[in-house]
Amino acid sequence: DTEVTQTPKHLVMGMTNKKSLKCEQHMGHRAMYWYKQKAKKPPELMFVYSYEKLSINESVPSRFSPECPNSSLLNLHLHALQPEDSALYLCASSQEGGFYFGPGTRLLVL
Amino acid sequence: SQQGEEDPQALSIQEGENATMNCSYKTSINNLQWYRQNSGRGLVHLILIRSNEREKHSGRLRVTLDTSKKSSSLLITASRAADTASYFCATVRLTSYGKLTFGQGTILTVHP
Repeated sequence: DTEVTQTPKHLVMGMTNKKSLKCEQHMGHRAMYWYKQKAKKPPELMFVYSYEKLSINESVPSRFSPECPNSSLLNLHLHALQPEDSALYLCASSQEGGFYFGPGTRLLVL
Repeated sequence: SQQGEEDPQALSIQEGENATMNCSYKTSINNLQWYRQNSGRGLVHLILIRSNEREKHSGRLRVTLDTSKKSSSLLITASRAADTASYFCATVRLTSYGKLTFGQGTILTVHP
């Protein structure tokens, strides 16, 4: 299984809502990532988890809260988002330099 | 901040022609990778080239790396309409191993 799965595929939420994005991989990779991608722009790194511990936080606002419950799962909890947070959120895992990306969750904040 | 810049920003060719995309970066790297993205969906890993390698091939793809010039190129030979996508280079720096930083990307359109 060389796949990273993400749910949901699409999400629409209001600025007062709380929602979560989920990511899963069963390749045994010990590094997992969240990226944010705005339209016609490259992906930008948000968080890196290594061996289930947060190793990099790219100065992301606290309304984004990552969680790594186990080595296969990565969540991104969303609360009090702003319309400018609307974007494609990509999860990835890696091992030995190769990165595998999920299909992304397209988020719209109203 | 983004590590790389890609050239051209957009490329339009006919089916059967070759497509060449270039990527420049600023800091020393561990490796450089190329990705394809269709219609704003997930990224597909195409090829990885390590800093001690100069050229790699995978099917119709050829990647070169010149660490002295801090640049890489991706050549797609005999292009097909299905190659239409955005292509990104991404680097893993020596000092931030595990952190993948993307260039601005090239939008490739292959006309049937």
